[in-house]
Order: sequence, then C-alpha cells, then structure tokens
Amino acid sequence: EAGVTQSPTHLIKTRGQQVTLRCSPISGHTSVYWYQQALGLGLQFLLWYDEGEERNRGNFPPRFSGRQFPNYSSELNVNALELEDSALYLCASSLFLAGVDEQFFGPGTRLTVL
Amino acid sequence: LAKTTQPISMDSYEGQEVNITCSHNNIATNDYITWYQQFPSQGPRFIIQGYKTKVTNEVASLFIPADRKSSTLSLPRVSLSDTAVYYCLVGAPLNAGNMLTFGGGTRLMVKP
Repeated sequence: EAGVTQSPTHLIKTRGQQVTLRCSPISGHTSVYWYQQALGLGLQFLLWYDEGEERNRGNFPPRFSGRQFPNYSSELNVNALELEDSALYLCASSLFLAGVDEQFFGPGTRLTVL
Repeated sequence: LAKTTQPISMDSYEGQEVNITCSHNNIATNDYITWYQQFPSQGPRFIIQGYKTKVTNEVASLFIPADRKSSTLSLPRVSLSDTAVYYCLVGAPLNAGNMLTFGGGTRLMVKP
C-alpha cells in the first residue's frame, strides 16, 4: 500500500513569489493535515481538511491557504513568500481505526525562500 | 489544547532502556496521549497511543498514572537507529479535530 506522497521534494523560490505544494493521502483516508517545520524546530499545525472542507486552521496568516479535492488529495498555497517561510512542509493523512488515532506523514517538501 | 512539556534532549547507550517523560497538567477528560518519532528530514512516525494505565506494542510502552498529568514513553534496549526526536502529543481523537499540536520534542542521542 502506497504511503502519503508529496510533491515536489524540493523547491526554491524568491521573496514575493507564490508556491503550491501537493499531497496525496493514503487510499481510504479522508483527512489531510498540513504542518510547517522550520529548521531545527517542532511541527506547527497549518490546516486540516476532511471530506473536502477546511475543518481547522493554525495560527498562520491568510496568505497560507489550501484545498482538498474530491479524491482527497490536497494543495497548500502560499502567497507573497517571505524568507521565514523557508521550512519543511509536511502533509499527513489519518484514519481513526479501532480506537487508535494515527497520522501518517509524507516525506515533506523542502521550501527555500531566497 | 493541553500544553506538553518534555526534556529538550537525552543521551543513552546502546542496549539501555530509555524513559522519556512528558508533562501535561491540564489534560482534558477526552484527551489521548500519543508519541511520534522523527528522523532528520523525514515526517514523524507514530509510535504509541494511550488513554490511561499502560499500553505496550512491539516497539515501546506507554505508562500513564491515574491522574494522567504526565506520561512516560519507555523504549527497551535502544539501538543507534533509535537516535531521533520524540514528540508527545495530547488531544482528543483526530475525528474531533483537536489533536493538532506538536511540542518541541525530545532529542534522543544513542551512543555506542
């Protein structure tokens, strides 16, 4: 069974540009989560999508947005990039099964803003 | 969301048992405790989850006292490959949309 996939693996952008990151969840998972992890820091929750709807949002400005498609894949969009947006962006999908919650993470997209 | 506090780092040697404690004084009644492991430049990986008492799986044990204000992840006989960052999360089940906060994690270094 394929795991969570993310694309691209790496990305280099300049300040002010816009970027779109993509995530495909594990088959059968309807929830997708996005996290930002700056170098050497913990994960910061960005967005949660379930069944095509945005369910929750972390403490990030509106220039961070996304959507979930009917096939449950998701995009994260970041507008007007700033230097501090440089980070590893992780996507996770989940399935609540047999009383255990588990998020399955993808390999991440490394974004560098110059 | 319940705030968690973990040691920033720990050192151990191969073959030893490692116990990492997480404090979560304001844990709510419907909150679970979950631990994840993360290697550099990879996404976190689920280790174990529990609500109370003790939970054991093939890789770890999770001890939760009766007041649930703390929890301890126990890794038996660690190896060099267990060197990673370990995150403690506290929150309601994902389908309630609440388990969303990772703390700073504990950086475990296993030495030969």
